[in-house]
Amino acid sequence: EDQVTQSPEALRLQEGESSSLNCSYTVSGLRGLFWYRQDPGKGPEFLFTLYSAGEEKEKERLKATLTKKESFLHITAPKPEDSATYLCAVPANQAGTALIFGKGTTLSVSS
Amino acid sequence: NAGVTQTPKFQVLKTGQSMTLQCAQDMNHNSMYWYRQDPGMGLRLIYYSASEGTTDKGEVPNGYNVSRLNKREFSLRLESAAPSQTSVYFCASSELGAGANVLTFGAGSRLTVL
Repeated sequence: EDQVTQSPEALRLQEGESSSLNCSYTVSGLRGLFWYRQDPGKGPEFLFTLYSAGEEKEKERLKATLTKKESFLHITAPKPEDSATYLCAVPANQAGTALIFGKGTTLSVSS
Repeated sequence: NAGVTQTPKFQVLKTGQSMTLQCAQDMNHNSMYWYRQDPGMGLRLIYYSASEGTTDKGEVPNGYNVSRLNKREFSLRLESAAPSQTSVYFCASSELGAGANVLTFGAGSRLTVL
């Protein structure tokens, strides 16, 4: 069964304190790994798609990387506005183009 | 451009009542989805519609029915609501082709069943 596991569940950082979030997956034949950001009371918002091991994508203070078994979301010098829940997801083999989501990492950045 | 619009945003029901959550997208996407999000459980797929005229069960379909009314609209119906269906419901849509798995989500509908 396809599974996505994220760690840690919650992460508290000081402004400027860099860190990484982890997403490990077990799927047969990866067809992409997706990162989303979700703010409280809102729907998830797409950040990145990674398709092959070694691939990297960047957006402002965020950089996503992919290996054969996991992905990392690196946050460099975070600001309070980076506080959100970060979700990773993989395509569900048995459900067309739908995604299976991990439970997320809730990031809090204090000034 | 509104994207994905869900109504209502909030709803309180009593056990056994029925209701329909509405979802509409204006991006000409082919595929649409209904997820529920619960604390500690993450987002779970209820039903999806790969294209107009088709619907399929996801991970947690029991107690729900869906209708793909046309290309734009995908509704979720609770025939006899139960407290276990208290959740935040998200509708999403995606296009075919290379971007097929990039889902665009609505703002969510928060449902409480007493």
